Amino acid sequence: DIQMTQSPSSLSASVGDRVTITCRASQAISSYLNWYQQKAGKAPKLLIFAASSLQRGVPSRFRGSGSGTDFTLTINSLQPEDFATYYCQQSSSTPSTFGQGTRLEIK
Amino acid sequence: QVQLQESGPGLVKPSETLSLTCTVSGGSISSSGHYWAWIRQPPGKGLEWIGKIYFGGTTYYNPSLKSRVTLSVDTSRNQFSLRLNSVTAADTAVYYCARDRLWPQGDAFDIWGQGTVVAVSS
Repeated sequence: DIQMTQSPSSLSASVGDRVTITCRASQAISSYLNWYQQKAGKAPKLLIFAASSLQRGVPSRFRGSGSGTDFTLTINSLQPEDFATYYCQQSSSTPSTFGQGTRLEIK
Repeated sequence: QVQLQESGPGLVKPSETLSLTCTVSGGSISSSGHYWAWIRQPPGKGLEWIGKIYFGGTTYYNPSLKSRVTLSVDTSRNQFSLRLNSVTAADTAVYYCARDRLWPQGDAFDIWGQGTVVAVSS
């Protein structure tokens, strides 16, 4: 299985900040990388697919980049509704696997 | 728009079989370009992919669960289902069904059900 490692596991930030979350794959996965946002008690929501494509309806302050083994999710100008847990997921090979999550908290 | 809804028992006894159904509304389960997936999340933990099925019946399973999992699809009811046998407490989780949309550059879970809590306990 391909292991997905996110860093940091948690971070604190303020409204208006820019934050970056990193996801590293244990082997090359081209651009087969997706990002999800999950709020407490809710299902995950797709933000970014194919490493850098913004899902319809997702604000443009969310940006994904990377290829191969290293990927980043950047959130510009944090809004109150952005405080949540973020997961990366690889769809390069079966089984699909997720990172352990990054919890974004209000400072 | 397409919506998914999980249904099934919230409590299953150890060694028995967990059975869940996902009903697709607002669209056809037989549409091309999508698989239909199950994902679970143990309390306080991350996400685990269980498997996926195409409307034609093609299935892919997580090897860690393959010996215990069966996915099926009922196109007449616009539903797909999960069966997980010989459950233990480690199978306690929120179970999500999701649409696995296929793109030229991979696939992603673009629509999710709200999730259903399944506890394994005697």
